Amino acid sequence: DAKTTQPTSMDCAEGRAANLPCNHSTISGNEYVYWYRQIHSQGPQYIIHGLKNNETNEMASLIITEDRKSSTLILPHATLRDTAVYYCIVRSGATNKLIFGTGTLLAVQP
Amino acid sequence: DGGITQSPKYLFRKEGQNVTLSCEQNLNHDAMYWYRQDPGQGLRLIYYSQIVNDFQKGDIAEGYSVSREKKESFPLTVTSAQKNPTAFYLCASRPRHPTRSYNEQFFGPGTRLTVL
Repeated sequence: DAKTTQPTSMDCAEGRAANLPCNHSTISGNEYVYWYRQIHSQGPQYIIHGLKNNETNEMASLIITEDRKSSTLILPHATLRDTAVYYCIVRSGATNKLIFGTGTLLAVQP
Repeated sequence: DGGITQSPKYLFRKEGQNVTLSCEQNLNHDAMYWYRQDPGQGLRLIYYSQIVNDFQKGDIAEGYSVSREKKESFPLTVTSAQKNPTAFYLCASRPRHPTRSYNEQFFGPGTRLTVL
């Protein structure tokens, strides 16, 4: 299973875009990149996932580099409720297991 | 409402006692998972089950046991053999068949277990 590397923490001003980076240099061709977030003492919440192409949904956009070794999660207009730990995960294709790292604590400032 | 329930939210036990954490889902999902989270850490997989009457060990299965007798239920027993049982325990489920949410795991609210 490929490992991911994320910054420990980031700050973002309310109303601005939050760009959360993730490195996954050992990702293999059939492994997806997933993003989840966890608000304190709650279960993680799915945000978005992708394989090669950029993806967008009602919550966020996912930009994956052409070599697939890194990706960026974009929250276009961060609010205070987006303060959470964001996990970038590479999903095992064989078992569908999610391997969680320590994530990035995003603090949205008023 | 459809969802995953875990009860209780907080659980206290004495050292040396076994304790069973419940996880129930009415989403008609085939796969279910148990994770453990320690302070400041990510989630670690304990056990998972892709279908009724079948389950596999995750990365940290020692000291834990599970059963999957019904599709809706995946209880986790923390035994006295688990050296550091105090943690936040999260259950998740996922549909098996391809749907829009095929690849998405849905998490319960978690149970915080404290062993005294």
